[in-house]
Amino acid sequence: GNSVTQMEGPVTLSEEAFLTINCTYTATGYPSLFWYVQYPGEGLQLLLKATKADDKGSNKGFEATYRKETTSFHLEKGSVQVSDSAVYFCALTHNYGQNFVFGPGTRLSVLP
Amino acid sequence: EAQVTQNPRYLITVTGKKLTVTCSQNMNHEYMSWYRQDPGLGLRQIYYSMNVEVTDKGDVPEGYKVSRKEKRNFPLILESPSPNQTSLYFCASSPQGQGTETQYFGPGTRLLVL
Repeated sequence: GNSVTQMEGPVTLSEEAFLTINCTYTATGYPSLFWYVQYPGEGLQLLLKATKADDKGSNKGFEATYRKETTSFHLEKGSVQVSDSAVYFCALTHNYGQNFVFGPGTRLSVLP
Repeated sequence: EAQVTQNPRYLITVTGKKLTVTCSQNMNHEYMSWYRQDPGLGLRQIYYSMNVEVTDKGDVPEGYKVSRKEKRNFPLILESPSPNQTSLYFCASSPQGQGTETQYFGPGTRLLVL
């Protein structure tokens, strides 16, 4: 079946450091890929997405590229801020979005 | 404001006492879904609904029921809660349930079953 694997963390970085959170997936066909972010005490919200191979999603300085050859969708940001501290979830949908599969989440803490 | 609302936000109950968690969206979305979030497991889908009167099981449906009598509401029912259903629950919706769509999440309901 479909699955998502991501580094669980926690990841602790200093402000302005470079961030990478790895995400790999297993799925048949051509899933859509997502990164969602969960700030403390809140629900999840979309950070970025890519719906076909080689697409790059970007938002708020974060980027991720849909790599079908390596089945990956790694999240990157060049310079993190304290306000980026949150839990980040990699996810995929397949077919008609009926089955939404999430990774376990990666907790990021950014220190001033 | 476009949003998904859930009630209650926090709930403590005892084993076997039936409970309902409500979910409502004001975006006229066709698709709604319930998830539970547990440490180290991420979010797992419980049930989803593609439209009114159409519901289907997700990955972890055991011990849960849902109904979709109106487009805006999608309540989650625990007929006989057990301690292993202690979790953080999220409701979500999307316009058509297409794979490329963004899901919009409610704020979550934290449930403790004693």
